[in-house]
Amino acid sequence: DQQVKQNSPSLSVQEGRISILNCDYTNSMFDYFLWYKKYPAEGPTFLISISSIKDKNEDGRFTVFLNKSAKHLSLHIVPSQPGDSAVYFCAAVNTGNQFYFGTGTSLTVIP
Amino acid sequence: GAGVSQSPSNKVTEKGKDVELRCDPISGHTALYWYRQSLGQGLEFLIYFQGNSAPDKSGLPSDRFSAERTGGSVSTLTIQRTQQEDSAVYLCASSLGISGSWGSEQFFGPGTRLTVL
Repeated sequence: DQQVKQNSPSLSVQEGRISILNCDYTNSMFDYFLWYKKYPAEGPTFLISISSIKDKNEDGRFTVFLNKSAKHLSLHIVPSQPGDSAVYFCAAVNTGNQFYFGTGTSLTVIP
Repeated sequence: GAGVSQSPSNKVTEKGKDVELRCDPISGHTALYWYRQSLGQGLEFLIYFQGNSAPDKSGLPSDRFSAERTGGSVSTLTIQRTQQEDSAVYLCASSLGISGSWGSEQFFGPGTRLTVL
């Protein structure tokens, strides 16, 4: 049973525009959320995170938004750059430090 | 470097053979996770080690899969009598194992690509 879902397997965005990646979860007990970025033939790397007590966290071009009532998480990348092209995974963590990953969204930023 | 390392990077084996995959976590990280990523799929949780506690094996797909972590550091994932559906990239990650932002972040290794013929 998939507790974290990324319903868009792929997304294409023009360079300079905003990329919005979405993630939904089912378990209201998750207390921490993270986004990971993965290039081909490499392991995922941590990008940005947010605690369940917050609704926004910003780091440079990356902002994560959390809507707890909707059990929805999104990652905004502004402005998008060709180097951002990768697969993005969202992950949710429970108090037992168990991670649940989404299936990923492949982002292509077109120069 | 001081990141998570995995070996081998690639493994091709015949159906029915046993394989061992190795993970060296970041020194000092008490939590270690194994995941599997099949073609077109997300990260499938396999097993989680936290300190000296009994591992969380809830993600292991069958009893052909087992893992151990010796001395709280290096981990080995063993797949017995491999099947073609075991073909995937096996990823290992480690973390400080403490709840909260700075403790939860996982650092991933580059993965082992397993192909079962």
